[in-house]
Amino acid sequence: DTGVSQDPRHKITKRGQNVTFRCDPISEHNRLYWYRQTLGQGPEFLTYFQNEAQLEKSRLLSDRFSAERPKGSFSTLEIQRTEQGDSAMYLCASSLVGNQETQYFGPGTRLLVL
Amino acid sequence: AQTVTQSQPEMSVQEAETVTLSCTYDTSENNYYLFWYKQPPSRQMILVIRQEAYKQQNATENRFSVNFQKAAKSFSLKISDSQLGDTAMYFCAFTSNTGNQFYFGTGTSLTVIP
Repeated sequence: DTGVSQDPRHKITKRGQNVTFRCDPISEHNRLYWYRQTLGQGPEFLTYFQNEAQLEKSRLLSDRFSAERPKGSFSTLEIQRTEQGDSAMYLCASSLVGNQETQYFGPGTRLLVL
Repeated sequence: AQTVTQSQPEMSVQEAETVTLSCTYDTSENNYYLFWYKQPPSRQMILVIRQEAYKQQNATENRFSVNFQKAAKSFSLKISDSQLGDTAMYFCAFTSNTGNQFYFGTGTSLTVIP
């Protein structure tokens, strides 16, 4: 069990560019969550998947954001036409159905939009 | 809607002493889970302790224990024999029994002073 991994760990981009982040959950975990964390705040829920199905999306997830989990394993979060307000830490977490109330977090991807 | 409130942005404690971090929450649900997560500087979030709302007994994990007051919707974390490695941001979090969404407080930054 190698834990939840995220790639890249840091990303700097210019406003208007698209970025994509990847999350690899703990191997047997069928739930995967994305959060956004800004400086001095707690994580804010964005969306979650159970296997390949995206079951819930926050209103924070604007049309510029899209997430996928095509084979129920890793997931990607894409932000199109990035804005400076998108600068944040993007956290991924995973859990196991039957123990879904306990999430395990990855190290996060820190995004800076210039 | 669920909300989680941490009213102590920063706290400090002398090494080997005891400190209590406060958390209150609001929910209309009867079955839910509460958590304390620790986020060390530039490191990933890790689970410290969890509490099931239907259990009256307060959870304990080594030096960490909680005081869960369901009627008052209060969930405080006590750290005994504080160690330098306890220096971190601590987040209180809530989820319903479905684990569909997690709600986090704004965090308490704890510094353990040698």
